[in-house]
Amino acid sequence: AQSVTQLGSHVSVSEGALVLLRCNYSSSVPPYLFWYVQYPNQGLQLLLKYTSAATLVKGINGFEAEFKKSETSFHLTKPSAHMSDAAEYFCAVRTYSGGGADGLTFGKGTHLIIQP
Amino acid sequence: DTGVSQDPRHKITKRGQNVTFRCDPISEHNRLYWYRQTLGQGPEFLTYFQNEAQLEKSRLLSDRFSAERPKGSFSTLEIQRTEQGDSAMYLCASGPGQGVTDTQYFGPGTRLTVL
Repeated sequence: AQSVTQLGSHVSVSEGALVLLRCNYSSSVPPYLFWYVQYPNQGLQLLLKYTSAATLVKGINGFEAEFKKSETSFHLTKPSAHMSDAAEYFCAVRTYSGGGADGLTFGKGTHLIIQP
Repeated sequence: DTGVSQDPRHKITKRGQNVTFRCDPISEHNRLYWYRQTLGQGPEFLTYFQNEAQLEKSRLLSDRFSAERPKGSFSTLEIQRTEQGDSAMYLCASGPGQGVTDTQYFGPGTRLTVL
């Protein structure tokens, strides 16, 4: 079975500061990992995904994430926070059943707060 | 590419009533997924379709829930005899079906409130 754990339900940073959102995964097979962002009253938008091609993955809006197998982690970072980054962030892992890959298993989310 | 659309955006119903939601995927996407999201939680996988075939169903999908995707285009999710515990955001996503790295594109969701 596959699962992800997001550490910290709320993270608060100052505008211009480093953003670090933590995600650890558990998977018995090579994981395929995703970060999504959800703005209020909007659907989830893909930020980036890990597909085993490269351990450092760059996404939209200046975000990136590094896959570390030894630490079973896929933390999301952004060098300088902007007020528009305030949103809910979800880490997810592709799940597998007897019929092959199906849906995504999401973490509980981290609410990112940007202080002016 | 007009994105994934869902209808209605909000639904308020009384306990015991039946409700039906519709999802229109991005055209040419052959995979369609349904998720449920409750307050303070991440989305939970319910079921998915490859074209018109329903390939997997989560244990969360009780027998009061049924999903269809006739002709492999739009999909409907019906909940019969709604319960207050069914109150949630129901999300639909579609993907081009590129395998395990397939990106899922999400719609805005349908928020269900059961009184």
